[in-house]
Amino acid sequence: DIQMTQSPSSVSASVGDRVTITCRASQGVSNWLAWYQQKPGKVPKLLIYSASSLQTGVPSRFSGSGSGTDFTLTISSLQPEDFATYYCQQANSFPLTFGGGTTVEIK
Amino acid sequence: EVQLVESGGGLVQPGDSLRLSCAASGFTFSNFWMTWVRQAPGKGLEWVASINKDGSGEYYVDSMKGRITISRDNAKSSLYLQMNSLRAEDTALYYCVRYTRPFDYWGQGTLVTVSS
Repeated sequence: DIQMTQSPSSVSASVGDRVTITCRASQGVSNWLAWYQQKPGKVPKLLIYSASSLQTGVPSRFSGSGSGTDFTLTISSLQPEDFATYYCQQANSFPLTFGGGTTVEIK
Repeated sequence: EVQLVESGGGLVQPGDSLRLSCAASGFTFSNFWMTWVRQAPGKGLEWVASINKDGSGEYYVDSMKGRITISRDNAKSSLYLQMNSLRAEDTALYYCVRYTRPFDYWGQGTLVTVSS
């Protein structure tokens, strides 16, 4: 099974900050990597697919990069509505696996 | 508008069975793989099972393999998850999700609580 490791597990940041979250796969997943945002009590929302493609309707301050085993989600200028938990997920092979999540908190 | 509406969750005792359903609308159901993803209270996301477009291929998480069966009825645009021999650790919110590699549309979830 492919293990997905996210870091950090939590980050405190201020509005306007640049935030970077990393995701490492235990083996190569090509570019079959997605990022999701989940706010408390809400359904997860797809942000990025194929490592760097922005889902329709997602603000351009979100971007993804990487391939193989190392990936990054960047929020270029954090907005109040971005405080949430973010998950990476590999879609390369079954069993499909998620990272443990990164919570972005208000500093 | 894509809609996925789950039902069938509830409070059951350890060892019981439960069948979850998901009614899909707003897209051609038979053209898409479908998936169940769960989330235990206060925990992260866990993929549970996926099924291909015509139902001929099924994939399961190891921790539930042998206890669950995913199925679909394309004529009814419906997805199902039969869960048997439920355990306390199966307590979670179960989401019905459309799978396009990634998971692009999610239902609101149905809560399964396993407790004596």
